Amino acid sequence: EAGVTQFPSHSVIEKGQTVTLRCDPISGHDNLYWYRRVMGKEIKFLLHFVKESKQDESGMPNNRFLAERTGGTYSTLKVQPAELEDSGVYFCASSQEGNEQFFGPGTRLTVL
Amino acid sequence: QKEVEQDPGPLSVPEGAIVSLNCTYSNSAFQYFMWYRQYSRKGPELLMYTYSSGNKEDGRFTAQVDKSSKYISLFIRDSQPSDSATYLCAMETGANNLFFGTGTRLTVIP
Repeated sequence: EAGVTQFPSHSVIEKGQTVTLRCDPISGHDNLYWYRRVMGKEIKFLLHFVKESKQDESGMPNNRFLAERTGGTYSTLKVQPAELEDSGVYFCASSQEGNEQFFGPGTRLTVL
Repeated sequence: QKEVEQDPGPLSVPEGAIVSLNCTYSNSAFQYFMWYRQYSRKGPELLMYTYSSGNKEDGRFTAQVDKSSKYISLFIRDSQPSDSATYLCAMETGANNLFFGTGTRLTVIP
């Protein structure tokens, strides 16, 4: 069974540009989460989808971040326009109801 | 104050040693406690999951939760070089979003 996959593995962009990160959860997992780790800090929750609905987006830092999960399958996280402080590793995780969250390898975002 | 505090280390031990990793927390609403292991350039992988105060053992790993002291621990017996990784504690209130510690980098020297 394939695990959670994320694309790209690494993205380098300039301040003010737009970047879109993609996450493909484990097949059949209705719950999908986005987390972010900024250098030197802990991994922090961004938001939680149940199927295509946003269950909790309390961790989204500001309106430059837009997450979607059309059709309840894969999800995208768009940052527009990117700022220097957005640099970090973005993790996606998925789970079945009430069970273990399986994490992807992360996308390392560098904003110059 | 962070909700979850974890000593970042790094921690270096000889092979075969007992390793003790710890986290403290401030939010009494946390009900579920986890330890994740993360290898370089990989995502976190769940090692242990506990709900109540007390000990839970799985092979060489023992997770300990003390809710009265808001303190959790992970013990690794007979540590192996393959245990070298970053260990993250994580906690949850039941709302599914996880609160992580900063992680402790462990190196087991052969």
